[in-house]
Amino acid sequence: EAEVAQSPRYKITEKSQAVAFWCDPISGHATLYWYRQILGQGPELLVQFQDESVVDDSQLPKDRFSAERLKGVDSTLKIQPAELGDSAMYLCASANRNYGYTFGSGTRLTVV
Amino acid sequence: AQSVSQHNHHVILSEAASLELGCNYSYGGTVNLFWYVQYPGQHLQLLLKYFSGDPLVKGIKGFEAEFIKSKFSFNLRKPSVQWSDTAEYFCAVTSNQAGTALIFGKGTTLSVSS
Repeated sequence: EAEVAQSPRYKITEKSQAVAFWCDPISGHATLYWYRQILGQGPELLVQFQDESVVDDSQLPKDRFSAERLKGVDSTLKIQPAELGDSAMYLCASANRNYGYTFGSGTRLTVV
Repeated sequence: AQSVSQHNHHVILSEAASLELGCNYSYGGTVNLFWYVQYPGQHLQLLLKYFSGDPLVKGIKGFEAEFIKSKFSFNLRKPSVQWSDTAEYFCAVTSNQAGTALIFGKGTTLSVSS
């Protein structure tokens, strides 16, 4: 069964440092999403891509977060500088045209 | 804007008890509805989904959900829970436009004691 790959699985970083997460969606899935899941809460959408274009980044804190999907395949989410409140699970998901959403295992970020 | 409300934050049941988790959504148009499960340390897995047709949807692991349009609800049920059902459960909604992002509720933690 095809999977959405994410790395790293865990990341510990100091406050004010830069951190980056990588996601490789299922082959052929044009739509890619980044979500943030704070412990004990549901995932919240940060940014949505359609191919290489951003469709929705209204919830992305653009002063410190950036996301790109240069060739319309894999994607990188960056935080610079990281803050304590950024500690969370960062989930990547991709979708086909038939509402087939698949989630990756996520990157658990701890900011110290 | 779409939103999802899950009424129960934490549910504790004994094995063989029946389960019902509430989910209400807010959206003015046609929606697609989902229930996901997240076992400890694992990724989100789809339990079931509703797009149209029979409002009673059956999913994996013996779960089912009923869409009641007049109540904007999509409650999850299971007649008899097992210890292995201990997990976090999320209700999610999208509009019926392909590619629309899933909007999740805050989740319900289910703890089943043996």
